[in-house]
Amino acid sequence: EVQLLESGGGLVQPGGSLRLSCAASGFLFGSCAMNWVRQAPGKGLEWVAIINGRGQTTYYADSVQGRFTISRDNSKNTLYLQLNSLSAEDTAVYYCAKSDMGLYGDPIDFWGQGTLVAVSS
Amino acid sequence: DIQMTQSPSSLSASVGDRVTITCRPSQTINSFLHWYQQIPGKAPKLLIWRASRLQSGVPSRFSGSGSGTEFTLTITSLQPEDFATYFCQQTYNTPFTFGPGTKVD
Repeated sequence: EVQLLESGGGLVQPGGSLRLSCAASGFLFGSCAMNWVRQAPGKGLEWVAIINGRGQTTYYADSVQGRFTISRDNSKNTLYLQLNSLSAEDTAVYYCAKSDMGLYGDPIDFWGQGTLVAVSS
Repeated sequence: DIQMTQSPSSLSASVGDRVTITCRPSQTINSFLHWYQQIPGKAPKLLIWRASRLQSGVPSRFSGSGSGTEFTLTITSLQPEDFATYFCQQTYNTPFTFGPGTKVD
């Protein structure tokens, strides 16, 4: 059974940093691209970033480029998202999400339950 | 970036109704269009991938069609558990944008 368990969310002040983690199990982690998707309260889904299976290739949404970093440790079956220079606009539930296979063309076929990041003074 | 629009933004329907939702990307995306269902308070769930392929375990009342710049999601006979918000997403080119969603209530 595929499981994605996010952690690391919480309340952070504007300008602060946070690192999210996602522990994966139930599938061949290193063979699948992984995403972060966020959802602000009462809003729609916003794709944030993707990383390929080997961790060599990453892409980001324009809104987070240069502030967020996606990474992975395949030896630990864990996905990460480093969030820097946070602002109120980054307040959202952050979902860890597994791509069916590769970077392009494939859907997100499984989602974690999400972790809430709240940016406020 | 590829912009995604969905119509309608919301619709009212009854159990047994046929429901159709449209997604239009701002440029052609071949068939790299996927549909997700989100129930309030829950994570999204994949329904249809690559425009028309039914995800394993999803009831056959859900179907998808289209290519290029117009895609549709159809629910042939709406069930109580189908009242939710539906999102389309393109994975043709980064950023992998989502549509704004269609709320079915």
